[in-house]
Amino acid sequence: DVKVTQSSRYLVKRTGEKVFLECVQDMDHENMFWYRQDPGLGLRLIYFSYDVKMKEKGDIPEGYSVSREKKERFSLILESASTNQTSMYLCATLGRGHYEAFFGQGTRLTVV
Amino acid sequence: GDSVTQMEGPVTLSEEACLTINCTYTATGYPSLFWYVQYPGEGLQLLLKATKADDKGSNKGFEATYRKETTSFHLEKGSVQVSDSAVYFCALTPLGFQKLVFGTGTRLLVSP
Repeated sequence: DVKVTQSSRYLVKRTGEKVFLECVQDMDHENMFWYRQDPGLGLRLIYFSYDVKMKEKGDIPEGYSVSREKKERFSLILESASTNQTSMYLCATLGRGHYEAFFGQGTRLTVV
Repeated sequence: GDSVTQMEGPVTLSEEACLTINCTYTATGYPSLFWYVQYPGEGLQLLLKATKADDKGSNKGFEATYRKETTSFHLEKGSVQVSDSAVYFCALTPLGFQKLVFGTGTRLLVSP
């Protein structure tokens, strides 16, 4: 059974904190993605990675960075959390040449 | 750039009613098209896909046909059930790229 695991379901952080969201997959997929999901805006791509140590900006990278030191792990970093980063964050993976993406259950982050 | 437009929700139906959720896209070339579904409290999962013009994707009684001439991929079901209540996302993968572009999502509410 394929698995994409996000480290937390719910997080509450203070403004200005550095926040780490972790995503681990067991499918040996090359491509990994971070999206944020907001009502009325759907899923917006923050960053993605085609391979270890590679990263590409998505549509809304400002205020975020990522790290991919190992193939199975893709971390999203909020350098200095702000209230407008309160959102649901979804991690996804996609195997090279495949069509079906697999998603984690999401992390609901609240910045106060 | 590539984009997906889908009808706003919520869509409210009684059990056994017919469902259509409209989806149109903008992309160069021939993208692959998808419908993903998100049940309450869960991540997204693939519902169906179509990878070339005139292909019909189907799963769990849902269908969608890839219409190149109208750049559409409408989701249909002849008789919905309460268990179909979820958020449905239309998405595409641009030709030659390994990433997904999502629409804003349509919430479906089915009442007994």
